[in-house]
Amino acid sequence: DQQVKQNSPSLSVQEGRISILNCDYTNSMFDYFLWYKKYPAEGPTFLISISSIKDKNEDGRFTVFLNKSAKHLSLHIVPSQPGDSAVYFCAAGGGADGLTFGKGTHLIIQP
Amino acid sequence: EAQVTQNPRYLITVTGKKLTVTCSQNMNHEYMSWYRQDPGLGLRQIYYSMNVEVTDKGDVPEGYKVSRKEKRNFPLILESPSPNQTSLYFCASSFASGSGSYNEQFFGPGTRLTVL
Repeated sequence: DQQVKQNSPSLSVQEGRISILNCDYTNSMFDYFLWYKKYPAEGPTFLISISSIKDKNEDGRFTVFLNKSAKHLSLHIVPSQPGDSAVYFCAAGGGADGLTFGKGTHLIIQP
Repeated sequence: EAQVTQNPRYLITVTGKKLTVTCSQNMNHEYMSWYRQDPGLGLRQIYYSMNVEVTDKGDVPEGYKVSRKEKRNFPLILESPSPNQTSLYFCASSFASGSGSYNEQFFGPGTRLTVL
C-alpha cells in the first residue's frame, strides 16, 4: 500500500507561469514533509520542508502548503523557470523511521 | 565539502557474482539509508541504519545486506546479484530523528548497476 502518492507522473508548464505539484499521504503518523528535486544523473537534493504544525512554508519562489485534514500537500513554484525542469519527489516522515517517498512527478518547463 | 560519496558510480556485472557498493558521508550523521530508483516506482528504501551497529530493513530488503561498523560508512552488499536488481541506487544520510531537525537527507550521486 502506497503511503505517499504523487498521482501525476508528469506536468508541463509554460515558463513564467505557476507550477503546482501535488502529493497525498495516508499515514496520519507522518509529522514532517519534504520535497526533493532530482536532475538526471544526480542524486535528489532537498528543496523545502514543512512540519505538521504549520500549513505553509515559503522559500523564495517555492512554497509548500499542507492540508492535514485532507492529508494533502502541494508545492508551488512561481514563476517557473527552465532550470526547474526536473523530477520532484514528495517525502514524508515521522517517529524513528526514515522517509517514505512518492513515485515522483516529472516537471517540464516549456519556453 | 559536506557530501555523500558512492563507489562505483557505474557497474556491470553477471548473475551470482558478489559485489559491494560503498557509501561514505563526512557530516557525522547518525542515520544512513539505501534506496533504489526504478522507472514508475520512485525511490524505495532497501535498508537503513540509525547508528553504528544498528541496521533495519526497509521496504525492499530481499537480496541485499548492509553493515554499519563505522559511523561514516554504510556499504550495500549483494551476495548473489540477479537481473531484477538492475537499478539506480542511492545512499543518503541525515541526523537522526528527534534531533529537532526536519531530517533532511543528503543523497549521494547514485550508482547505476546492471546485472546480466
